[in-house]
Amino acid sequence: NAGVTQTPKFQVLKTGQSMTLQCAQDMNHNSMYWYRQDPGMGLRLIYYSASEGTTDKGEVPNGYNVSRLNKREFSLRLESAAPSQTSVYFCASSEGGGPGEQYFGPGTRLTVT
Amino acid sequence: GQQLNQSPQSMFIQEGEDVSMNCTSSSIFNTWLWYKQEPGEGPVLLIALYKAGELTSNGRLTAQFGITRKDSFLNISASIPSDVGIYFCAGIIYSGGGADGLTFGKGTHLIIQP
Repeated sequence: NAGVTQTPKFQVLKTGQSMTLQCAQDMNHNSMYWYRQDPGMGLRLIYYSASEGTTDKGEVPNGYNVSRLNKREFSLRLESAAPSQTSVYFCASSEGGGPGEQYFGPGTRLTVT
Repeated sequence: GQQLNQSPQSMFIQEGEDVSMNCTSSSIFNTWLWYKQEPGEGPVLLIALYKAGELTSNGRLTAQFGITRKDSFLNISASIPSDVGIYFCAGIIYSGGGADGLTFGKGTHLIIQP
């Protein structure tokens, strides 16, 4: 079992460029999440998906879109990257339809110049 | 939204010492989780607590769900170098409409001097 995997591990973008962060889990979990982690701010929820076919905004959704492609995969898209989106992005999953015990991927370090 | 106050922010201790950290809130939580994050990695779940007063161990780690349901504590006994990292608490509140999400503390940075 790989658990939660994320690609890419590192990415550098110029302001205005777009990109998609990929996340997949092999634990047959129903819920999936995207967080960003900034120094001194802890983990903040961007979007989540309680089940296949549903997505909801979290605490900091502006500038992002998500797609729950199927039960395994949950992608995060930056349509027009801004320097304020420089951060470490983590994907997580949990078994039930609610937050529960969440299991995290290794993260994607994104720098926007 | 709910806020979790985690303390201390950082700890510098000697190898072999015991460690205590806590998480407090003005809100009542139904579930407490403790995570550890090492540099360049994602948070790893250490312990989950579901009932007020519950005391759960995972090796040298022991966590407690506070009686008031507004706090939780994590203790590490006889610290070793691989305990270095950032420890996060997280809490879940369940209201009539279901869970209100997972709220994270800002972490306790543990540094161990050999």
